[in-house]
Amino acid sequence: AQSVTQLGSHVSVSEGALVLLRCNYSSSVPPYLFWYVQYPNQGLQLLLKYTTGATLVKGINGFEAEFKKSETSFHLTKPSAHMSDAAEYFCAVSDFGTGGFKTIFGAGTRLFVKA
Amino acid sequence: DVKVTQSSRYLVKRTGEKVFLECVQDMDHENMFWYRQDPGLGLRLIYFSYDVKMKEKGDIPEGYSVSREKKERFSLILESASTNQTSMYLCATSAFVETQYFGPGTRLLVL
Repeated sequence: AQSVTQLGSHVSVSEGALVLLRCNYSSSVPPYLFWYVQYPNQGLQLLLKYTTGATLVKGINGFEAEFKKSETSFHLTKPSAHMSDAAEYFCAVSDFGTGGFKTIFGAGTRLFVKA
Repeated sequence: DVKVTQSSRYLVKRTGEKVFLECVQDMDHENMFWYRQDPGLGLRLIYFSYDVKMKEKGDIPEGYSVSREKKERFSLILESASTNQTSMYLCATSAFVETQYFGPGTRLLVL
């Protein structure tokens, strides 16, 4: 069965510092992996996704993530945090199971950026 | 751009009322989803639909029903609202297994 674990419900960084949000997943088949971002009072929007091919995926706003099959991880990084990055971030995994395709979301990590 | 709209941003209802939440998409996507979002729990799938008049239960369907009479419209119904259904409700749409596109959400308060 699928599962997604996001380590840390809250992460705080200083402006200009590295952002690292951790995501581990379990899936019995090759998964599709996603990171979504939610700004206050808005729905989720896609940051980046991994389906097949290159394991380092680049997304919007300078974010990237690397699919590491051996570690079952898909951590999200950004070299230099900006105040506008303050939001909640969700990791998600989609795969095909006995009930068809299904997407599971992690519990979310709220990112705080300090001036 | 995909546009997903939800009928209300904020809603206040009384216990026992029947509540309708509507979602409309303009991208001709086959799949539509209803989630509820609660702090610390992430998004939990209530129901989804992969075609007109088709529906499938998600992880937490109890107390909810759905209707999909037209491809672009997916309605969530709370038959008899209860206080534990106070939450943020998010509608999403996708083409097959790809990216989901979300509406802005409806924040529902049941008193």
